[in-house]
Amino acid sequence: DIQMTQSPSTLSASIGDRVTITCRASQSISSWLAWYQQKPGQAPKLLISKASTLESGVPSRFSGSGSETEFTLTISSLQPDDFATYFCQQYNRLYTFGQGTKLEIK
Amino acid sequence: QVQLQESGPGLVKPSETLSLTCTVSGGSLSSYYWSWIRQPAGKGLEWIGRIYISGSTNYNPSLKSRVTMSVDTSKNQFSLKLRSVTAADTAVYHCARARRGQWLVLPFDSWGQGTLVTVSS
Repeated sequence: DIQMTQSPSTLSASIGDRVTITCRASQSISSWLAWYQQKPGQAPKLLISKASTLESGVPSRFSGSGSETEFTLTISSLQPDDFATYFCQQYNRLYTFGQGTKLEIK
Repeated sequence: QVQLQESGPGLVKPSETLSLTCTVSGGSLSSYYWSWIRQPAGKGLEWIGRIYISGSTNYNPSLKSRVTMSVDTSKNQFSLKLRSVTAADTAVYHCARARRGQWLVLPFDSWGQGTLVTVSS
């Protein structure tokens, strides 16, 4: 099984901050990594696929990078709507999610 | 735009079978893979399994011995059965859709809102 480890588990930041969330895979997954945003009471929303490909309609302040086992999600300038929980997911072999990063207002 | 809606009992007794159905509207089951994902309160996401319209399935190894998925094309639905449930199976259960890419099955582009299933006597 491929394990996904996300850090940090909680991140406190302010409007306008640049933030980065890291996801590590227990083995190489090439670029088969996705990022989701989830708000309370809602289903997750796909933000990025193939490590760095922004889904249609996702603001350009979101970006993803990485390959093999190390990946990052960066939000360049936090907006009020961005405070949520973020999950990474590998889809190289079946699916595994990271444990999530809760982005809180400082 | 496709919509997914989960349905089923919100309360299941320990040792019994959890049964859920996902109804797909605004689109066909064809050409997509259909998954179940669960999320215990305040915790992360766990993929349970997926099914293709042909009936081909893949399951999470950790749940494989207790899971069966099926598809009903006439009703545009797919279903989940999880046997021998315990309190650890209490979670919000989501259904979701994924396309087949050139090399593998892609991430989930549409999700249901989820349904809470509590395992308790």
